[in-house]
Amino acid sequence: SQTIHQWPATLVQPVGSPLSLECTVEGTSNPNLYWYRQAAGRGLQLLFYSVGIGQISSEVPQNLSASRPQDRQFILSSKKLLLSDSGFYLCAWSRDTGNYGYTFGSGTRLTVV
Amino acid sequence: SQKIEQNSEALNIQEGKTATLTCNYTNYSPAYLQWYRQDPGRGPVFLLLIRENEKEKRKERLKVTFDTTLKQSLFHITASQPADSATYLCALSYGGATNKLIFGTGTLLAVQP
Repeated sequence: SQTIHQWPATLVQPVGSPLSLECTVEGTSNPNLYWYRQAAGRGLQLLFYSVGIGQISSEVPQNLSASRPQDRQFILSSKKLLLSDSGFYLCAWSRDTGNYGYTFGSGTRLTVV
Repeated sequence: SQKIEQNSEALNIQEGKTATLTCNYTNYSPAYLQWYRQDPGRGPVFLLLIRENEKEKRKERLKVTFDTTLKQSLFHITASQPADSATYLCALSYGGATNKLIFGTGTLLAVQP
């Protein structure tokens, strides 16, 4: 069966520090991968998506970047965190063909102080 | 731009009753619509998907309707239980093969014993 792992679960980082969140998927190949952010009281906002290795699309301009170095690995990064980067970050995958629901990771609660 | 509206107020119902949640959207014609459940501090969990050419979809105690003329989906939980208490998110597809989703802010359902 397919599983998705996301870590760390919580993170407190000072303003200006770098960020690296990792997400890996097991039990499937060539998944579509997504990074979403959920701010308090707001809906999920799509940050990045990827349909293959090295293929990254950004949905909104921001202080973050994403990379997909391997088929089932998706990384969210920042060189210098801002206070506004605080939020609940969620990685998700879906099949690359057809219409399927997402499987989300357990999320990372990021607090920038 | 696309806009999704879910009732931001919490829905409180008595155990055993049917819960009905609403999702309205504008400026868009999605190919399919999905519903997710999200518990506090956790990632959303996929529940149901309904396509634009389907009027209704059922899964155990869950039922979803999709009215593309009204641009509305209704999500029903019959014989509700306290364990059904959670936030329920509506999501619409866009981006074709990339399977991107735009999410509503969700409705908090509280089932009282």
